[in-house]
Amino acid sequence: QVVLTQSPSASASLGASVKLTCTLSSGHSSYAIAWHQQQPEKGPRYLMKLISDGSHYRGDGIPDRFSGSSSGAERYLTISSLQSEDEADYYCQTWGTGIWVFGGGTKLTVL
Amino acid sequence: EVQLVESGGGLVQPGGSLRLSCAASGFTFSSYWMSWVRQAPGKGLEWVANINQDGSDKYYVDSVKGRFTISRDNAKNSLYLQMNSLRAEDTAVFYCARDQGGDYIDYWGQGTLVTVSS
Repeated sequence: QVVLTQSPSASASLGASVKLTCTLSSGHSSYAIAWHQQQPEKGPRYLMKLISDGSHYRGDGIPDRFSGSSSGAERYLTISSLQSEDEADYYCQTWGTGIWVFGGGTKLTVL
Repeated sequence: EVQLVESGGGLVQPGGSLRLSCAASGFTFSSYWMSWVRQAPGKGLEWVANINQDGSDKYYVDSVKGRFTISRDNAKNSLYLQMNSLRAEDTAVFYCARDQGGDYIDYWGQGTLVTVSS
């Protein structure tokens, strides 16, 4: 069964860039994932689909400050020109036959 | 504009039942897989169940199998989650979500809180 691993926390300064990582478990390095953002006290929001070759497809209204990339079993979310509203929890999600899985989430603090 | 509006949450005693509803609009509901995802207080997201376009395929996380039933009414653009034999550990915000081809979620509702407590 596929497992997604995320670092619990990350931080970066206002205006800087940050790269968050989601790692697929052994044997699942070809899987695509999706990234979701959850701002404090809000429901999640879909950011993008990211496939193994690094191609990514942003959701409606998602600015191009949000981008994705891949390397082996790792899937990345890069946020550039950090804004205060980017302070949120970020979750990766993947899917298989009859199962959908979320990573544990990364709490991003904007300093 | 895609909208997903959940309702039906509330306080229920352990062992009790609750039925959640999700009203969908802004897209052709009958063309999409749909999901329920929950989030316990202070915790991460957990997929609960999903259902294909005509309701013939349904999948559940192991912890709710035999207790929860996902269903849909395409004529009413509505998704449901019947929850029986509720436990304290089912306490969570439940989100309705739209799936892209049964793969990834691309739209979320705002959630409805279910509290299981005596």
